[in-house]
Amino acid sequence: DAKTTQPPSMDCAEGRAANLPCNHSTISGNEYVYWYRQIHSQGPQYIIHGLKNNETNEMASLIITEDRKSSTLILPHATLRDTAVYYCISSTDSWGKLQFGAGTQVVVTP
Amino acid sequence: DADVTQTPRNRITKTGKRIMLECSQTKGHDRMYWYRQDPGLGLRLIYYSFDVKDINKGEISDGYSVSRQAQAKFSLSLESAIPNQTALYFCATSDTTGNSGANVLTFGAGSRLTVL
Repeated sequence: DAKTTQPPSMDCAEGRAANLPCNHSTISGNEYVYWYRQIHSQGPQYIIHGLKNNETNEMASLIITEDRKSSTLILPHATLRDTAVYYCISSTDSWGKLQFGAGTQVVVTP
Repeated sequence: DADVTQTPRNRITKTGKRIMLECSQTKGHDRMYWYRQDPGLGLRLIYYSFDVKDINKGEISDGYSVSRQAQAKFSLSLESAIPNQTALYFCATSDTTGNSGANVLTFGAGSRLTVL
Protein backbone atom coordinates (compact mmCIF):
# COMPACT_ATOMS: atom_id res chain seq x y z
CA ASP A 1 0.00 0.00 0.00
CA ALA A 2 1.14 3.51 -0.80
CA LYS A 3 2.48 5.68 1.98
CA THR A 4 0.64 8.96 2.39
CA THR A 5 2.05 12.29 3.50
CA GLN A 6 -0.03 14.97 5.19
CA PRO A 7 0.88 18.26 6.88
CA PRO A 8 0.86 17.80 10.66
CA SER A 9 -1.47 20.71 11.30
CA MET A 10 -3.49 23.48 9.71
CA ASP A 11 -5.90 26.18 10.79
CA CYS A 12 -9.09 27.25 9.13
CA ALA A 13 -11.51 30.09 9.76
CA GLU A 14 -15.08 29.17 10.56
CA GLY A 15 -17.33 29.44 7.52
CA ARG A 16 -14.47 29.18 5.06
CA ALA A 17 -13.54 26.17 2.98
CA ALA A 18 -10.89 23.89 4.43
CA ASN A 19 -8.61 22.27 1.87
CA LEU A 20 -6.63 19.36 3.25
CA PRO A 21 -3.82 18.04 1.05
CA CYS A 22 -2.51 14.52 0.89
CA ASN A 23 0.41 13.18 -1.09
CA HIS A 24 0.39 9.55 -2.22
CA SER A 25 3.00 9.61 -4.96
CA THR A 26 3.56 5.82 -4.95
CA ILE A 27 -0.11 4.92 -5.26
CA SER A 28 -0.93 2.05 -7.59
CA GLY A 29 -3.82 1.83 -10.00
CA ASN A 30 -6.13 -0.19 -7.81
CA GLU A 31 -5.58 1.66 -4.55
CA TYR A 32 -8.44 3.63 -3.10
CA VAL A 33 -7.92 6.89 -1.22
CA TYR A 34 -9.90 7.09 2.02
CA TRP A 35 -10.44 9.97 4.40
CA TYR A 36 -11.43 9.55 8.02
CA ARG A 37 -11.48 12.01 10.88
CA GLN A 38 -11.17 11.63 14.63
CA ILE A 39 -12.63 14.18 17.00
CA HIS A 40 -10.78 14.29 20.32
CA SER A 41 -10.17 10.56 20.97
CA GLN A 42 -13.60 9.51 19.72
CA GLY A 43 -13.82 6.65 17.25
CA PRO A 44 -12.65 7.62 13.76
CA GLN A 45 -15.43 8.61 11.41
CA TYR A 46 -15.49 7.79 7.72
CA ILE A 47 -15.74 10.83 5.47
CA ILE A 48 -15.28 9.84 1.84
CA HIS A 49 -13.29 7.65 -0.52
CA GLY A 50 -12.36 7.60 -4.19
CA LEU A 51 -10.40 5.71 -6.80
CA LYS A 52 -9.94 7.91 -9.86
CA ASN A 53 -12.84 10.30 -10.10
CA ASN A 54 -13.62 13.23 -7.87
CA GLU A 55 -16.26 12.44 -5.28
CA THR A 56 -18.72 14.47 -3.26
CA ASN A 57 -21.03 13.57 -0.43
CA GLU A 58 -22.90 15.43 2.29
CA MET A 59 -19.74 15.87 4.34
CA ALA A 60 -17.02 16.76 1.89
CA SER A 61 -15.53 16.64 -1.59
CA LEU A 62 -12.52 14.65 -2.67
CA ILE A 63 -10.41 15.92 -5.52
CA ILE A 64 -7.90 13.42 -6.94
CA THR A 65 -5.27 14.64 -9.41
CA GLU A 66 -5.21 13.07 -12.82
CA ASP A 67 -1.96 11.21 -12.08
CA ARG A 68 -3.48 10.14 -8.72
CA LYS A 69 -0.33 11.12 -6.85
CA SER A 70 -2.13 13.54 -4.60
CA SER A 71 -5.59 14.45 -3.43
CA THR A 72 -7.38 17.19 -1.54
CA LEU A 73 -10.24 16.85 0.89
CA ILE A 74 -12.49 19.89 0.87
CA LEU A 75 -14.79 20.80 3.73
CA PRO A 76 -16.89 23.46 2.01
CA HIS A 77 -17.96 25.50 5.04
CA ALA A 78 -15.90 24.61 8.07
CA THR A 79 -17.55 24.77 11.49
CA LEU A 80 -16.05 24.53 14.95
CA ARG A 81 -17.27 20.93 15.08
CA ASP A 82 -14.93 20.10 12.21
CA THR A 83 -11.93 20.51 14.51
CA ALA A 84 -10.36 17.05 14.41
CA VAL A 85 -7.47 14.95 13.18
CA TYR A 86 -7.98 14.04 9.54
CA TYR A 87 -6.45 10.86 8.16
CA CYS A 88 -5.71 10.22 4.49
CA ILE A 89 -5.18 6.53 3.70
CA SER A 90 -4.50 4.71 0.48
CA SER A 91 -5.04 0.99 0.30
CA THR A 92 -5.65 -1.90 -2.03
CA ASP A 93 -6.86 -3.96 0.87
CA SER A 94 -10.58 -4.58 0.61
CA TRP A 95 -10.55 -6.37 3.94
CA GLY A 96 -10.20 -3.31 6.13
CA LYS A 97 -6.53 -3.42 6.96
CA LEU A 98 -6.17 0.31 6.64
CA GLN A 99 -2.93 1.86 7.85
CA PHE A 100 -3.51 5.06 9.74
CA GLY A 101 -0.67 7.57 9.90
CA ALA A 102 -0.47 10.58 12.20
CA GLY A 103 -2.93 12.63 10.13
CA THR A 104 -3.48 16.41 10.00
CA GLN A 105 -4.73 18.22 13.07
CA VAL A 106 -7.25 20.76 11.80
CA VAL A 107 -8.32 23.56 14.09
CA VAL A 108 -11.28 25.66 13.03
CA THR A 109 -11.27 29.07 14.67
CA PRO A 110 -14.15 31.53 15.11
CA ASP B 1 -28.08 3.11 20.52
CA ALA B 2 -24.69 3.08 18.84
CA ASP B 3 -24.12 0.77 15.88
CA VAL B 4 -20.86 -0.45 17.41
CA THR B 5 -20.75 -0.68 21.21
CA GLN B 6 -17.62 -1.20 23.24
CA THR B 7 -17.45 -2.15 26.91
CA PRO B 8 -15.96 -1.09 29.20
CA ARG B 9 -15.34 2.49 28.10
CA ASN B 10 -12.66 2.96 30.72
CA ARG B 11 -10.68 0.42 32.71
CA ILE B 12 -7.76 0.66 35.10
CA THR B 13 -6.01 -2.57 35.95
CA LYS B 14 -2.74 -3.88 37.34
CA THR B 15 0.15 -5.59 35.66
CA GLY B 16 -0.44 -9.31 35.22
CA LYS B 17 -4.23 -9.17 35.30
CA ARG B 18 -6.37 -10.66 32.54
CA ILE B 19 -8.56 -8.13 30.79
CA MET B 20 -11.34 -8.54 28.24
CA LEU B 21 -12.68 -5.77 26.05
CA GLU B 22 -15.97 -6.49 24.38
CA CYS B 23 -17.46 -5.26 21.14
CA SER B 24 -20.95 -5.77 19.78
CA GLN B 25 -22.53 -4.43 16.61
CA THR B 26 -26.03 -4.06 15.27
CA LYS B 27 -25.04 -3.31 11.67
CA GLY B 28 -25.11 -6.95 10.58
CA HIS B 29 -21.59 -6.66 9.20
CA ASP B 30 -19.43 -9.70 8.57
CA ARG B 31 -16.07 -8.13 9.28
CA MET B 32 -14.85 -6.94 12.65
CA TYR B 33 -11.55 -5.43 13.74
CA TRP B 34 -9.62 -4.38 16.81
CA TYR B 35 -7.29 -1.39 16.60
CA ARG B 36 -5.02 0.20 19.17
CA GLN B 37 -4.14 3.90 19.39
CA ASP B 38 -1.30 5.36 21.41
CA PRO B 39 -1.18 9.08 22.25
CA GLY B 40 -0.44 11.26 19.25
CA LEU B 41 -0.25 8.32 16.90
CA GLY B 42 -2.50 6.71 14.34
CA LEU B 43 -4.33 3.43 14.76
CA ARG B 44 -2.64 0.06 14.49
CA LEU B 45 -4.48 -3.16 13.66
CA ILE B 46 -4.37 -5.91 16.31
CA TYR B 47 -6.73 -8.60 14.98
CA TYR B 48 -9.47 -8.89 12.41
CA SER B 49 -12.19 -11.40 11.60
CA PHE B 50 -14.07 -11.91 8.34
CA ASP B 51 -16.70 -14.18 9.88
CA VAL B 52 -17.28 -16.32 12.96
CA LYS B 53 -14.87 -19.02 11.80
CA ASP B 54 -12.15 -16.69 10.62
CA ILE B 55 -9.57 -14.91 12.80
CA ASN B 56 -6.47 -13.15 11.52
CA LYS B 57 -3.52 -11.43 13.17
CA GLY B 58 -2.85 -7.80 12.44
CA GLU B 59 0.42 -5.93 12.74
CA ILE B 60 0.64 -5.93 16.56
CA SER B 61 -1.08 -9.13 17.80
CA ASP B 62 1.57 -10.22 20.34
CA GLY B 63 0.15 -10.17 23.87
CA TYR B 64 -3.45 -10.17 22.64
CA SER B 65 -6.05 -12.78 21.75
CA VAL B 66 -9.55 -12.52 20.34
CA SER B 67 -12.79 -14.44 20.22
CA ARG B 68 -15.59 -14.08 17.67
CA GLN B 69 -18.51 -15.47 19.63
CA ALA B 70 -21.12 -14.56 17.04
CA GLN B 71 -21.43 -12.40 13.96
CA ALA B 72 -22.25 -9.48 16.22
CA LYS B 73 -19.64 -9.99 18.94
CA PHE B 74 -15.86 -9.75 18.89
CA SER B 75 -13.83 -9.70 22.11
CA LEU B 76 -10.23 -8.72 22.70
CA SER B 77 -8.30 -10.24 25.61
CA LEU B 78 -5.05 -9.31 27.26
CA GLU B 79 -3.97 -12.50 29.00
CA SER B 80 -1.46 -10.80 31.27
CA ALA B 81 -1.62 -7.04 30.97
CA ILE B 82 1.56 -4.96 30.98
CA PRO B 83 1.98 -1.18 31.25
CA ASN B 84 2.91 -0.68 27.59
CA GLN B 85 -0.53 -1.98 26.66
CA THR B 86 -1.97 1.20 28.11
CA ALA B 87 -3.79 2.67 25.14
CA LEU B 88 -7.11 3.51 23.52
CA TYR B 89 -8.68 0.50 21.85
CA PHE B 90 -11.18 0.69 19.02
CA CYS B 91 -13.44 -1.93 17.56
CA ALA B 92 -14.64 -1.48 13.99
CA THR B 93 -16.90 -3.27 11.52
CA SER B 94 -17.33 -3.31 7.77
CA ASP B 95 -19.59 -4.97 5.25
CA THR B 96 -18.90 -7.24 2.31
CA THR B 97 -22.23 -6.58 0.65
CA GLY B 98 -21.85 -4.86 -2.69
CA ASN B 99 -18.17 -4.51 -2.14
CA SER B 100 -16.53 -2.82 -5.09
CA GLY B 101 -13.07 -3.24 -3.64
CA ALA B 102 -13.41 -0.35 -1.24
CA ASN B 103 -13.82 -1.01 2.46
CA VAL B 104 -15.50 1.49 4.75
CA LEU B 105 -15.12 1.02 8.50
CA THR B 106 -17.56 1.96 11.26
CA PHE B 107 -15.82 2.47 14.60
CA GLY B 108 -16.96 2.18 18.17
CA ALA B 109 -16.40 4.94 20.72
CA GLY B 110 -13.30 3.32 22.14
CA SER B 111 -12.15 1.64 25.35
CA ARG B 112 -9.48 3.43 27.33
CA LEU B 113 -7.26 0.94 29.16
CA THR B 114 -4.68 1.87 31.78
CA VAL B 115 -2.32 -0.79 33.09
CA LEU B 116 -0.50 0.19 36.27
